[in-house]
Amino acid sequence: NAGVTQTPKFRVLKTGQSMTLLCAQDMNHEYMYWYRQDPGMGLRLIHYSVGEGTTAKGEVPDGYNVSRLKKQNFLLGLESAAPSQTSVYFCASRLTSGYYEQYFGPGTRLTVT
Amino acid sequence: QKEVEQDPGPLSVPEGAIVSLNCTYSNSAFQYFMWYRQYSRKGPELLMYTYSSGNKEDGRFTAQVDKSSKYISLFIRDSQPSDSATYLCAMSVYSSASKIIFGSGTRLSIRP
Repeated sequence: NAGVTQTPKFRVLKTGQSMTLLCAQDMNHEYMYWYRQDPGMGLRLIHYSVGEGTTAKGEVPDGYNVSRLKKQNFLLGLESAAPSQTSVYFCASRLTSGYYEQYFGPGTRLTVT
Repeated sequence: QKEVEQDPGPLSVPEGAIVSLNCTYSNSAFQYFMWYRQYSRKGPELLMYTYSSGNKEDGRFTAQVDKSSKYISLFIRDSQPSDSATYLCAMSVYSSASKIIFGSGTRLSIRP
């Protein structure tokens, strides 16, 4: 059981470049989330999904897109990266009845220069 | 005003000390109160949760919820260097559609 995995672990982009972050979970969880974590700002929700084929905006969705074509995968896309998107990105998942527990991946450290 | 407020610290205490971490919140609908622990360069992990008010103890850790004051606490007894981490409080309502709202985290360091 790998839990929640994220690919890649590190990435450096130039301003204007695009990339996709992949999150995969093997726990058959319905709900999946993408957060960014910045010093002093805590975890901020970018987008989330309540099931395969569904997505919804979170607190800070601008500049990001997501897709959930398969239940186990949740992709986060940056179409035109900006230095303000330099952050650590975490994916998380939970059961429908998991009102208090989310399982987090190890994070992706992204730097945009 | 943020829904959940948490002092970012950092907090540094000697090994063996009792540590008190706190959060305040504004949404009276919250029913689940959690503490997540995040080690450096890792994802957060659930440490403890409490449903509604009261206390919950798990080994050296005690979680307290005071809904009348909208205040939650985490106490760590006999603190160890391995407890050094960032502690995030978190809250949610009893609903399958609910999102967990996280505090910004308190960085804790236990000095040997």
